[in-house]
Amino acid sequence: GAVVSQHPSWVICKSGTSVKIECRSLDFQATTMFWYRQFPKQSLMLMATSNEGSKATYEQGVEKDKFLINHASLTLSTLTVTSAHPEDSSFYICSAPTGGTYNSPLHFGNGTRLTVT
Amino acid sequence: GDSVTQMEGPVTLSEEAFLTINCTYTATGYPSLFWYVQYPGEGLQLLLKATKADDKGSNKGFEATYRKETTSFHLEKGSVQVSDSAVYFCALSALNQGGKLIFGQGTELSVKP
Repeated sequence: GAVVSQHPSWVICKSGTSVKIECRSLDFQATTMFWYRQFPKQSLMLMATSNEGSKATYEQGVEKDKFLINHASLTLSTLTVTSAHPEDSSFYICSAPTGGTYNSPLHFGNGTRLTVT
Repeated sequence: GDSVTQMEGPVTLSEEAFLTINCTYTATGYPSLFWYVQYPGEGLQLLLKATKADDKGSNKGFEATYRKETTSFHLEKGSVQVSDSAVYFCALSALNQGGKLIFGQGTELSVKP
């Protein structure tokens, strides 16, 4: 089945540094990638939607200058957390639909656990 | 706006017990409904889906029926196993949302031998 590879699976960084998270679609072309954030014991909150070759669409309350999203190719989308702070520590998950309709299931990466010290 | 509400967890059951996890939704139009499962240390996986009213999604012994009249999509399994221990998320996807999923808060299930 369709696979979304997310890397790294975990990262620890110091406050003020930037961290890049990559998501690759391994056997399909992902024209759209959704980026979610999950707090412990809570649901997934959509942060932004990236579309290949165009600017990402951010959800209300998400700082676009802090969470930089790039979707430069049909198989790669990246999320960069800039000037990270401890409150950015969270579980970040990417996902992509394999079909072209709104009822196509999403395929998820395994997530990235970010800890900012 | 559209939303999904799940029963709170954690839910603890003995092996072979009957499982129900309630899910209700609010949406304009006719969304598609999904159940995703997240096993410990892993990403989310699609468990089942239903795209229109009265559809029944099923997989691995789990079932859920799209009930438009009650705006519900409850997850059921007749006999749970220890390996079913995971967090279960109900979600909807609506035409006017561009394919993005709106998730419930998740329900943690723990099955004891």
